[in-house]
Amino acid sequence: GESVGLHLPTLSVQEGDNSIINCAYSNSASDYFIWYKQESGKGPQFIIDIRSNMDKRQGQRVTVLLNKTVKHLSLQIAATQPGDSAVYFCAERLNTGNQFYFGTGTSLTVIP
Amino acid sequence: NAGVTQTPKFQVLKTGQSMTLQCAQDMNHEYMSWYRQDPGMGLRLIHYSVGAGITDQGEVPNGYNVSRSTTEDFPLRLLSAAPSQTSVYFCASTKDRGLGYTFGSGTRLTVV
Repeated sequence: GESVGLHLPTLSVQEGDNSIINCAYSNSASDYFIWYKQESGKGPQFIIDIRSNMDKRQGQRVTVLLNKTVKHLSLQIAATQPGDSAVYFCAERLNTGNQFYFGTGTSLTVIP
Repeated sequence: NAGVTQTPKFQVLKTGQSMTLQCAQDMNHEYMSWYRQDPGMGLRLIHYSVGAGITDQGEVPNGYNVSRSTTEDFPLRLLSAAPSQTSVYFCASTKDRGLGYTFGSGTRLTVV
C-alpha cells in the first residue's frame, strides 16, 4: 500500500495561535489530497481538499499547502479554537484509481 | 438528509461468528467504501464500490465480503470473525470520484 505519514503524532497549541499540521506522502502519482478532522467517537469530517495542479488552497480559517517537489502537505489553522481539538488526517488518492490512503493522524490539543 | 448511516454502533462477537455491518446513504452517491480504523494505523480501505453491482478490493479485504445491490446500501459481511478484526469500521460515500468522502459515525466491533 501507499505510505502517507505525519511528522508529529501530537501537537499542542495555545488558543488563538496558528496551528500547522504536516503530512508526507510517498507517491508522485497522487493527484488529489484531502484533510479530515476526527473528533472523539465520530467519523472523519472533510475539512479541505487540494488537487495536484495547485499548491495552495484556502478555506475558512484553514489553508492547505502542497509541495509536490518534496511530496509534502500541510494544514494551517488560523486562530486555533478549543473546538479545533481533534485528530487530523491527510489522505491521498492515486491518479489511477479511487482508493484513498490515509496517514496515521495528528492529535491536536488546544490549550485555553 | 440523514447522510451515511451505520448500524449497529457497537457489537461484540465471539470468534467464528459471522455478522453484517449495515451502511446506507440517502444522498444518491455512486461511490461507497468501507474502512477500518485501528490505533496508530489510520484508516485502511477494506472494499469499495463505484456503483450498484460493482465492487472491488481495497488494502485489507481478507475476511470480509461486500455487495452493492442498490445505490443506497453497501453492507459489509464478516464471514468468520477473528480477534484481529476488532476495530472501528467506517462506511463512506461520495457522489463523484473528484470529491471527498462523507463518513458515517462508525461501528465499534470487538471480537472475543
